[in-house]
Amino acid sequence: DAGITQSPRHKVTETGTPVTLRCHQTENHRYMYWYRQDPGHGLRLIHYSYGVKDTDKGEVSDGYSVSRSKTEDFLLTLESATSSQTSVYFCAINSGLAGENEQFFGPGTRLTVL
Amino acid sequence: AQTVTQSQPEMSVQEAETVTLSCTYDTSESDYYLFWYKQPPSRQMILVIRQEAYKQQNATENRFSVNFQKAAKSFSLKISDSQLGDAAMYFCAYRSGWNYGGSQGNLIFGKGTKLSVKP
Repeated sequence: DAGITQSPRHKVTETGTPVTLRCHQTENHRYMYWYRQDPGHGLRLIHYSYGVKDTDKGEVSDGYSVSRSKTEDFLLTLESATSSQTSVYFCAINSGLAGENEQFFGPGTRLTVL
Repeated sequence: AQTVTQSQPEMSVQEAETVTLSCTYDTSESDYYLFWYKQPPSRQMILVIRQEAYKQQNATENRFSVNFQKAAKSFSLKISDSQLGDAAMYFCAYRSGWNYGGSQGNLIFGKGTKLSVKP
């Protein structure tokens, strides 16, 4: 258990509404990531953070923004949700005894956009 | 750009038997890491095994072992003495080494292999 929680765990929303997903970690890890998982695509990187207020885009960042004002929290925002953003969202951190060479995941958030 | 390919969308194995899941990757880097993750129906992503590219010895974790062929860019997972609890989606993933400029530790995933275990 890498001490990662995600909230909410499930959410149903309507097209055009803003949505914020939260990732919280308890072990002061520097790197945090947001991925989305869709059938037939595996997991794809949305955004990542390498420190407080230090973030950058991943492979599928369009329509998403992130913020990290504290080490422990990494927020993913959908400014105006669309049906194509229906997915399972995973937060992850880098950890491990050998210099942050392993990645551990939160439990995931299932988001449905109607 | 690096890519990861899992060519077997679904596999099946009899309980107590051995099964091998395939993974190939494409990269021009020499320093990297490879991983296998298990995702059971609970949706949790569970790290199964890790392999460093600079290590020639294949990684093992109890009933799980890998066959790492660096020249062939192949990284297969062998599950021995399969158990019902091994039924899950399995993902192969690649990560660049920290020495590469711009590497931020993110993973590149294959599309997964769904493993069924028959009693």
